[in-house]
Amino acid sequence: AQSVTQLGSHVSVSEGALVLLRCNYSSSVPPYLFWYVQYPNQGLQLLLKYTTGATLVKGINGFEAEFKKSETSFHLTKPSAHMSDAAEYFCAVSDRGDKIIFGKGTRLHILP
Amino acid sequence: KAGVTQTPRYLIKTRGQQVTLSCSPISGHRSVSWYQQTPGQGLQFLFEYFSETQRNKGNFPGRFSGRQFSNSRSEMNVSTLELGDSALYLCASGEGATNEKLFFGSGTQLSVL
Repeated sequence: AQSVTQLGSHVSVSEGALVLLRCNYSSSVPPYLFWYVQYPNQGLQLLLKYTTGATLVKGINGFEAEFKKSETSFHLTKPSAHMSDAAEYFCAVSDRGDKIIFGKGTRLHILP
Repeated sequence: KAGVTQTPRYLIKTRGQQVTLSCSPISGHRSVSWYQQTPGQGLQFLFEYFSETQRNKGNFPGRFSGRQFSNSRSEMNVSTLELGDSALYLCASGEGATNEKLFFGSGTQLSVL
């Protein structure tokens, strides 16, 4: 069965600094991988996804993630944090079927 | 296109009662997934329906059930409510047969007293 581990339930970075949110997955087959973001009092929205092809995936709002099969990782990065990036971020995995499993989330705090 | 609509937005119930939550997916989407979100536990998968059939089920007790209608609208029912059922219940409409993109509603906040 697939699973996701997100390292760090809370991450704080200064405005303008690099954002790095870590995600490791477990899957018995080549996975689909996702990052979703949740702003307060809202549902989740897709930031980016990896299905096949290029392992470096670019998403919305300047975020990107790299699929590393050897490390079973799919870390999310953004070169320069903005105050509007403060939110909760969820990594998710699918075994290329239809069931999407989410991690417990990482809340990102941006320091002025 | 209208987004995913969940009703009601808030619910307060007492232990032992039952509750039904509703979800209307994006027009044309045939997949609906349900998740329970609680602080510290993230999103826990409840079940997923596709064209009126339950395709996947999470590890929740039988008190949690769901169904999907021919118009793709879905309902989730929880019977004999417990205090631990207090959570935000999120519904997601899936794009494509393999849910390559989920569109989430704003959720139903259930409080069990």
